[in-house]
Amino acid sequence: DAGVIQSPRHEVTEMGQEVTLRCKPISGHDYLFWYRQTMMRGLELLIYFNNNVPIDDSGMPEDRFSAKMPNASFSTLKIQPSEPRDSAVYFCASSFLDNEQFFGPGTRLTVL
Amino acid sequence: QQPVQSPQAVILREGEDAVINCSSSKALYSVHWYRQKHGEAPVFLMILLKGGEQKGHDKISASFNEKKQQSSLYLTASQLSYSGTYFCGTAAGNNRKLIWGLGTSLAVNP
Repeated sequence: DAGVIQSPRHEVTEMGQEVTLRCKPISGHDYLFWYRQTMMRGLELLIYFNNNVPIDDSGMPEDRFSAKMPNASFSTLKIQPSEPRDSAVYFCASSFLDNEQFFGPGTRLTVL
Repeated sequence: QQPVQSPQAVILREGEDAVINCSSSKALYSVHWYRQKHGEAPVFLMILLKGGEQKGHDKISASFNEKKQQSSLYLTASQLSYSGTYFCGTAAGNNRKLIWGLGTSLAVNP
């Protein structure tokens, strides 16, 4: 299996622009997680899905962030409008039931 | 509430042992341990469930004391490949929402 796939790997954008991060989970996994990692706050869970349904989005910072999972093999995290404080590494992870989470390589986002 | 990891950083010589602790102020259902190397994604080590069990994986093992709401990760006879940042993720209930500690940086030198 190819593992969790994320795109793009790096994104540099200007404040106010829309940013869309993409994730393809491992086939057969029923949970998908979006995380944000910064030096100051560490690894934070933003939202997670079970069978394509959002279960807990309490970690989403504000209305500028939204996530969708239209099918079992694709999810997006959108930031609109982006701000410099959104700069971080965003990870997508997937798991089967309550087993280990497999993380994607991450997207390093820089908002200027 | 974010779990507290200690120490924040540790430097070892190859072959030495280390213990990394993870403490929570909330009752825990499970503790998950991951290792992340610089510039890479976190990689799973082990999960410990409520019940005080101890698990082992090669020369890395962990314990979970639910009464004390803490877990410890034991690395014995450390190898160069053990270098990285170790994170504990805790779940208060039988759900998938993990709250992560800030990590313990481990460097193993020859």
